[in-house]
Amino acid sequence: SQQGEEDPQALSIQEGENATMNCSYKTSINNLQWYRQNSGRGLVHLILIRSNEREKHSGRLRVTLDTSKKSSSLLITASRAADTASYFCATDAGAILTGGGNKLTFGTGTQLKVEL
Amino acid sequence: EAGVAQSPRYKIIEKRQSVAFWCNPISGHATLYWYQQILGQGPKLLIQFQNNGVVDDSQLPKDRFSAERLKGVDSTLKIQPAKLEDSAVYLCASSSPLGERRTQYFGPGTRLLVL
Repeated sequence: SQQGEEDPQALSIQEGENATMNCSYKTSINNLQWYRQNSGRGLVHLILIRSNEREKHSGRLRVTLDTSKKSSSLLITASRAADTASYFCATDAGAILTGGGNKLTFGTGTQLKVEL
Repeated sequence: EAGVAQSPRYKIIEKRQSVAFWCNPISGHATLYWYQQILGQGPKLLIQFQNNGVVDDSQLPKDRFSAERLKGVDSTLKIQPAKLEDSAVYLCASSSPLGERRTQYFGPGTRLLVL
């Protein structure tokens, strides 16, 4: 089953504008991650925010996490045509394992289109 | 470093036929995942390996899907017999215990169409 639900399902903006996507989830988590997927490069990890963090930045990306509301947002500033892709949030809610990664549950995704 | 490799990239089969997908993870990555992504949805985990042992296969339809990771490196995912609803992209991912433990690296996927 899908853990996260992204909002909006689709977003179209002009180059240079900011894009904001939201994700809601249902259970307690260890961390929440955002991934980007386009036909050229497949699914790529963007940023991870841990459950004890409230905000994180990476380049033009800003992620916030509100565990009390079980929600997260991804802000892409000064968008470019190359940002056109589908964006997924993924929650890591599994038991801590040694020596490796954990089970991710992906949301339904937001399709972002950045027009010139 | 080389990324996650998958083959074939595309496969078209008829229902009730069998099909196999292959994945080679990033060198040194102990954990390997297979995901199914149906058009318009996010990826869904099918099975997770830690070295050559299965960690989680709770969402794998075991009556028709099987997977193995011999020697803890390459992995194969098989569907036998295939159904129309198996049409999807099958993604392989791997992760390492070193560095950022929670980051998964994905391959390009195998797009399966069942007719």
